[in-house]
Amino acid sequence: AQSVSQHNHHVILSEAASLELGCNYSYGGTVNLFWYVQYPGQHLQLLLKYFSGDPLVKGIKGFEAEFIKSKFSFNLRKPSVQWSDTAEYFCAVTLNTGGFKTIFGAGTRLFVKA
Amino acid sequence: DTEVTQTPKHLVMGMTNKKSLKCEQHMGHRAMYWYKQKAKKPPELMFVYSYEKLSINESVPSRFSPECPNSSLLNLHLHALQPEDSALYLCASSQDSEGIRFFGPGTRLTVL
Repeated sequence: AQSVSQHNHHVILSEAASLELGCNYSYGGTVNLFWYVQYPGQHLQLLLKYFSGDPLVKGIKGFEAEFIKSKFSFNLRKPSVQWSDTAEYFCAVTLNTGGFKTIFGAGTRLFVKA
Repeated sequence: DTEVTQTPKHLVMGMTNKKSLKCEQHMGHRAMYWYKQKAKKPPELMFVYSYEKLSINESVPSRFSPECPNSSLLNLHLHALQPEDSALYLCASSQDSEGIRFFGPGTRLTVL
């Protein structure tokens, strides 16, 4: 069965530290990849997405992610985090088979210390 | 108008009640979704409507009944729910099958 794995369930960083959140998926076909963020008390927002083309994608708020097909990975990065980045981050995969099924990873809770 | 709206924001119901959750979008998106999210868990897909027809039902119990009256509206009818159904119910929409851009704020449901 298809699945999405996020390596870290909880991450604590100090402001200005660099961030990398891991995401791996298990599916041999073509996929569309997403990172969503859920700030405390707010609804899910799309951070960035990858469909095709340049495997390094840039999203909102200084986030970027790199798709490495050979590793089935789509890791999220930010060079310097801020306290306002405290949130839960979900990696998600949509199978590019013409269907509508988006599978979410378990999520990573990021806490940034001021 | 680039948003998905949901009503009510909060709902408390007894196990014998019948209630409905509502979702609306005016972006012309042809796919609409219901997800269920328990605390500290990822969203779980329940239903997908594509062009107003049910295209995915993830083996959801029949006490949840979706309805898509038109391309902008999506309802979730609730009847005889259990306390374990208490969760945040999220609506979402997308232009096509490539993935969800917009989620609604959710309805926080408590079943007593």
